[in-house]
Amino acid sequence: QSALTQPASVSGSPGQSITISCTGTSSDVGGYNYVSWYQQHPGKAPKLMIYEVSNRPSGVSNRFSGSKSGNTASLTISGLQAEDEGDYYCSSYTSSITLVFGGGTKLTVL
Amino acid sequence: QVQLVQSGSELKKPGASVKVSCKASGFTVTAYAMNWVRQAPGQGLEWMGWINTNTGNPTYAQGFTGRFDFSLDTSVSTAYLQISSLKAEDSAVYYCARDDGVKAFDIWGQGTMVTVSS
Repeated sequence: QSALTQPASVSGSPGQSITISCTGTSSDVGGYNYVSWYQQHPGKAPKLMIYEVSNRPSGVSNRFSGSKSGNTASLTISGLQAEDEGDYYCSSYTSSITLVFGGGTKLTVL
Repeated sequence: QVQLVQSGSELKKPGASVKVSCKASGFTVTAYAMNWVRQAPGQGLEWMGWINTNTGNPTYAQGFTGRFDFSLDTSVSTAYLQISSLKAEDSAVYYCARDDGVKAFDIWGQGTMVTVSS
């Protein structure tokens, strides 16, 4: 199972919005609504930000939103803040009854 | 408090084995699937597989068969990852993570760094 494709890096200024894409196939992202997004700060464990494409866990800011179109899922962060800087990973359930992560995207807040 | 607490860092020689523990507290471990995720230095997350906490049946991702073993002791609410015949390329941080039932990992352990070096 190949990793999902994410841009290596994105950047934005405080207050702006950014979107991170996550491209898979019809056997994973496109075939199931089990897409999740994780935020990871250096030296820390990942934190769940979005599950089932667009649902936010309790406690996650509503500045984070998720969507999906075809084989590509997206994470949008609005009103960018310095604390949003970090690495972001998508994951998807697959037709092989496995899970696969994206390669990760480094978000820099300018 | 709902949490997963993992065992401490390990330094092992090539060919040795290591067993990482992941103790659950604040929830019933058998109500959730437990997953393992590897993160090599400077690299991304890699799903290793999961263990059905009701049956104890493990499922391994491609690339994690043979030397990797998931197990569980429900009496102490603890999941284990054992890696045998360690190689330098096994050096990584290993995380346990709870699947909340929708293929998303809502609770993570703090990670265990395993270093394999002669």
